[in-house]
Amino acid sequence: KQEVTQIPAALSVPEGENLVLNCSFTDSAIYNLQWFRQDPGKGLTSLLLIQSSQREQTSGRLNASLDKSSGRSTLYIAASQPGDSATYLCAVTGANSKLTFGKGITLSVRP
Amino acid sequence: EAGVAQSPRYKIIEKRQSVAFWCNPISGHATLYWYQQILGQGPKLLIQFQNNGVVDDSQLPKDRFSAERLKGVDSTLKIQPAKLEDSAVYLCASSITGDGETQYFGPGTRLLVL
Repeated sequence: KQEVTQIPAALSVPEGENLVLNCSFTDSAIYNLQWFRQDPGKGLTSLLLIQSSQREQTSGRLNASLDKSSGRSTLYIAASQPGDSATYLCAVTGANSKLTFGKGITLSVRP
Repeated sequence: EAGVAQSPRYKIIEKRQSVAFWCNPISGHATLYWYQQILGQGPKLLIQFQNNGVVDDSQLPKDRFSAERLKGVDSTLKIQPAKLEDSAVYLCASSITGDGETQYFGPGTRLLVL
């Protein structure tokens, strides 16, 4: 059974800092990995999707990497801003096309 | 392009009552998902529809939860009778084919069972 872990559960950083969010998964037989953002009281917004054959994806100040063999992914956020404050969830798609989510990391960027 | 629509946004009921949630996916999306997100947890898939057929309902508590997607478009999720542990956000998502591509999520319905 696939398990996705995100540690720590919460993170607080000053504005302008570069930061890395970590995600690990137990079964390397994945179809892809996604990073989502969830704002309080809102649904999930897909930030980046990395196919199993890819190593990384970039969008603006966000960069996500994937090391399938070691079961790890990182989300790098450059020059963090207060507007980046949200919960970030990592999810993997298994061979059955089913998404398995981590519990998320709640990020607070202090002005 | 309109996103995934859900209603109501909030619902408060007493235990043993029934409740229903509605979802309208993005136009043209064949696959529709219902997730349950308990506070502090990641979303858990309850049921997946491909058009109007059920693909996966292995984690749906069938003694109290039911879902339907008549005509392969919008969907309804019902809980009857509700328990305290059903308090959660119920998220609906849709995707074009269901073959592992990006899922688009609605804003969710926040349910509180007292």
